[in-house]
Amino acid sequence: DAGITQSPRYKITETGRQVTLMCHQTWSHSYMFWYRQDLGHGLRLIYYSAAADITDKGEVPDGYVVSRSKTENFPLTLESATRSQTSVYFCASSVTGIYSNQPQHFGDGTRLSIL
Amino acid sequence: AQSVAQPEDQVNVAEGNPLTVKCTYSVSGNPYLFWYVQYPNRGLQFLLKYITGDNLVKGSYGFEAEFNKSQTSFHLKKPSALVSDSALYFCAVRDKSNTGKLIFGQGTTLQVKP
Repeated sequence: DAGITQSPRYKITETGRQVTLMCHQTWSHSYMFWYRQDLGHGLRLIYYSAAADITDKGEVPDGYVVSRSKTENFPLTLESATRSQTSVYFCASSVTGIYSNQPQHFGDGTRLSIL
Repeated sequence: AQSVAQPEDQVNVAEGNPLTVKCTYSVSGNPYLFWYVQYPNRGLQFLLKYITGDNLVKGSYGFEAEFNKSQTSFHLKKPSALVSDSALYFCAVRDKSNTGKLIFGQGTTLQVKP
């Protein structure tokens, strides 16, 4: 089925560990986004990507790394997890650029707990 | 700087009554505005958008939103609320950099009681 899939849905890890959150979309959308959702902050953009091999920082990029070797995948890596990175992470994609009035489509999120 | 504000953390309404979830924005030029809904343990779902044209925009599930340029508002409305409308609602404005980035409000929890 077409859509945007995040994995895992739930993850518990320890401080200092590396963890990678996966995002896969089947629409061939050029733009992809990573957000984190925290109480009192709404959604904040971590990184985004305009196309394969093109990524850029969002509002809260520190402690995160992204890559986009293929259009359909946009993994997010926490290189050394900290408790402050406990959050719910959402991936989104959109047809945008010159079609920038199109909505973003969201995955169901990954709930990450760092102990 | 562009921003979006949702002044109410929570809105309570009785089933069958009209509902309004408020949103105000601050952008230069003409805004692209969006409403999303989030149900528990799910991602955000697109409800409706305003790009240009008619100030009253109709969207999914019977929702509509009224764009008011002079008041810089984009309030979400529904004539008759359902218990199943209970969810978290986000207003967002498109960043002007043509990258498709969205700037979200803090979110408003809508509670519809039977």
